[in-house]
Amino acid sequence: EPEVTQTPSHQVTQMGQEVILRCVPISNHLYFYWYRQILGQKVEFLVSFYNNEISEKSEIFDDQFSVERPDGSNFTLKIRSTKLEDSAMYFCARRALAEDTQYFGPGTRLTVL
Amino acid sequence: AQTVTQSQPEMSVQEAETVTLSCTYDTSESDYYLFWYKQPPSRQMILVIRQEAYKQQNATENRFSVNFQKAAKSFSLKISDSQLGDAAMYFCAFQYFAGTASKLTFGTGTRLQVTL
Repeated sequence: EPEVTQTPSHQVTQMGQEVILRCVPISNHLYFYWYRQILGQKVEFLVSFYNNEISEKSEIFDDQFSVERPDGSNFTLKIRSTKLEDSAMYFCARRALAEDTQYFGPGTRLTVL
Repeated sequence: AQTVTQSQPEMSVQEAETVTLSCTYDTSESDYYLFWYKQPPSRQMILVIRQEAYKQQNATENRFSVNFQKAAKSFSLKISDSQLGDAAMYFCAFQYFAGTASKLTFGTGTRLQVTL
């Protein structure tokens, strides 16, 4: 199946700092998603992105978070001022227009100290 | 809102045996999709199998099959001839489409141990 890469694989940051997580789909898929998984808990939806706009977001996705596709290739999730509770695995997923299945990247582990 | 429930936090199976993981969901939608994802220790989310709600036939992928009971809103995963590499967290997930909305809603997961 087509791949998604995510960078970095692990990010350590200080509370209050900004972080940018990156997702690079190999193919030009139209739908992108961010999910997070706090250690030991279930995977939670954050936001979906379609045609360069947010198509859906959860209550978790507050003003601290933003997404964009700055160069038409990378898909980024920015957390403006990180909190301890933002420590989690962050997964990017992509879905082709004609498909219903989301394929996940390997994730970025974010640790906020 | 859709909810997905996995009532078995942990399961154990002997190598070469068969195990069934349970999943129930709640929705008022009639057309949707259901998935099982596997999460090994690497924490990558790997698609195992998918089911379209409008199809009555249960999906099968090699040693993995589902028992989809739409009226009961049940979607269990059967793993046959279990292998050591099957040991992982398994997540059941629900998806429906409403305009451009298409998020996955996950259950809490079942940790599968495979013993010799």
